Amino acid sequence: GESVGLHLPTLSVQEGDNSIINCAYSNSASDYFIWYKQESGKGPQFIIDIRSNMDKRQGQRVTVLLNKTVKHLSLQIAATQPGDSAVYFCAEKQHGNQFYFGTGTSLTVIP
Amino acid sequence: EAQVTQNPRYLITVTGKKLTVTCSQNMNHEYMSWYRQDPGLGLRQIYYSMNVEVTDKGDVPEGYKVSRKEKRNFPLILESPSPNQTSLYFCASNPLAGDYEQYFGPGTRLTVT
Repeated sequence: GESVGLHLPTLSVQEGDNSIINCAYSNSASDYFIWYKQESGKGPQFIIDIRSNMDKRQGQRVTVLLNKTVKHLSLQIAATQPGDSAVYFCAEKQHGNQFYFGTGTSLTVIP
Repeated sequence: EAQVTQNPRYLITVTGKKLTVTCSQNMNHEYMSWYRQDPGLGLRQIYYSMNVEVTDKGDVPEGYKVSRKEKRNFPLILESPSPNQTSLYFCASNPLAGDYEQYFGPGTRLTVT
């Protein structure tokens, strides 16, 4: 299977600071990338997505950056809040609607 | 309310006893998928379906079966469960057109002894 990895398994940030979660992917043919948030005991929840023809996409307090040259994806969360504490997954869509997920980064927000 | 439902939420069973985990969505999505989540491995796709009677293998299909007789339902079948299928299972759905935002169910925690 394809490899989608995350640089750090855990990340701790102070409340109010910005968070950056990174992800590396290996299939240059992937055309769509997604970030999910998973809170304890729940299913993953869509945060933001980006297509391969874009470099950046912004949502409410979140920004996704895509660097196709180095096959790198990042999620930036502005003014991190305690409610942002969760595990974050990146995922890539390949041919035929197959999705490959990374192993996740656990974000802890320190009040 | 738009949602994906799974049943049961928790299941403990014994090796070899056939079981079915149901999944249903009320959003008229064409695409449905099953994943398993294991510590340190993230989510891995088991099977997916792009419409009624159209299913395909994901990354880890061995030991599983699926069917898609109706658009809203996508059951996961374990004909002869084994302990290595102990895991947390998620069903998801999304439309095929436009964004591929997947909606996930609440998960089914399966233990095979």
